[in-house]
Amino acid sequence: GAGVSQTPSNKVTEKGKYVELRCDPISGHTALYWYRQSLGQGPEFLIYFQGTGAADDSGLPNDRFFAVRPEGSVSTLKIQRTERGDSAVYLCASSSQPGYEQYFGPGTRLTVT
Amino acid sequence: GNSVTQMEGPVTLSEEAFLTINCTYTATGYPSLFWYVQYPGEGLQLLLKATKADDKGSNKGFEATYRKETTSFHLEKGSVQVSDSAVYFCALSDQPDSNYQLIWGAGTKLIIKP
Repeated sequence: GAGVSQTPSNKVTEKGKYVELRCDPISGHTALYWYRQSLGQGPEFLIYFQGTGAADDSGLPNDRFFAVRPEGSVSTLKIQRTERGDSAVYLCASSSQPGYEQYFGPGTRLTVT
Repeated sequence: GNSVTQMEGPVTLSEEAFLTINCTYTATGYPSLFWYVQYPGEGLQLLLKATKADDKGSNKGFEATYRKETTSFHLEKGSVQVSDSAVYFCALSDQPDSNYQLIWGAGTKLIIKP
């Protein structure tokens, strides 16, 4: 079966631009997580969705970051006014229920020039 | 707050050598502990997990035991292969208060030479 997919795989953008990163979770998975991984570090939690609602957005670094999951499936992470410090790999994971194994997508590598 | 510390890499071993990658944690509750692996060019995959003290997780010849007294979850394998070359991440989930988000170590790159 299909795993978690993320698009695009790579995104290069200029400082100040707006970007959207998409995550398509495993079908039927209700829990969805976004993480950010900087070079040489482990992933850092950004936001968690249970169904359509953001159950925990405590990891979003500031109000330039926003994420939605309007139909409880696909999620989009939105970054406004990008900064060079936003450059990282953005990972999405889904699980069938909270607390169950998280399955990760391949990530989107964002480079802000 | 919760945190995970794992040994720095890269760790370079010869094929068939014994592997240990150290991982220690700090948690306020009773976390579940995980090892994830990231092979070159691939996404993160769960390697093994343990949900309570003294549990041993195992998979593909790898083992790790949840040691509450030493707050550790060291990864071991008796005889490594070239195909084990990857980056290994230790992580914890201090559910349910944390909504099951994973807290990660920095990762340890493992290089196995034939």
